Amino acid sequence: DAKTTQPNSMESNEEEPVHLPCNHSTISGTDYIHWYRQLPSQGPEYVIHGLTSNVNNRMASLAIAEDRKSSTLILHRATLRDAAVYYCILRDSQGGSEKLVFGKGTKLTVNP
Amino acid sequence: GAGVSQTPSNKVTEKGKYVELRCDPISGHTALYWYRQSLGQGPEFLIYFQGTGAADDSGLPNDRFFAVRPEGSVSTLKIQRTERGDSAVYLCASSSDTSSYNEQFFGPGTRLTVL
Repeated sequence: DAKTTQPNSMESNEEEPVHLPCNHSTISGTDYIHWYRQLPSQGPEYVIHGLTSNVNNRMASLAIAEDRKSSTLILHRATLRDAAVYYCILRDSQGGSEKLVFGKGTKLTVNP
Repeated sequence: GAGVSQTPSNKVTEKGKYVELRCDPISGHTALYWYRQSLGQGPEFLIYFQGTGAADDSGLPNDRFFAVRPEGSVSTLKIQRTERGDSAVYLCASSSDTSSYNEQFFGPGTRLTVL
């Protein structure tokens, strides 16, 4: 599985936007970019995914670089409930294993 | 609707004992996954079921670990001769199909402590 690189931690203030970066320089043409987050003492939860185009949903936006070697998860207005570990994961659309390969993720702290 | 549930939420056992961890996936989900998570690390894949069969068990660390899903719904992860290094949170997830973009829904996990 292609690897991703994320900062260990980031900090934000409540109601401000947060940009969480992810580098995936070895991404293949068939890899989707997925983001999951894990709130304290809970299992991970899906946030968003994309292939080439930027994506928006009720939780966040995903901005994908034109060369697809990096992406950014955008939380438009951080709340205290957004404090979590955010994982950037590549999944091959051509099949094979369906497992998610998690790195250490980025621990986001939101200050009131 | 009900999400993925896991029982027990906490399990404390002694080294050398046998444990079973249960996962109830979302109704109708054909795919079921087990992961384990050590402190400060991301979840690590163990095994994946499609229906009743294990489609990928490449993450099971050794033959002390075994999982079953006899009727294609509930799954049990079984650990024999537990060791202190098995202490972790064991997470279960399910999804409705195996397309690359289909999200996995995770349960709250079972925290296993081996003394």
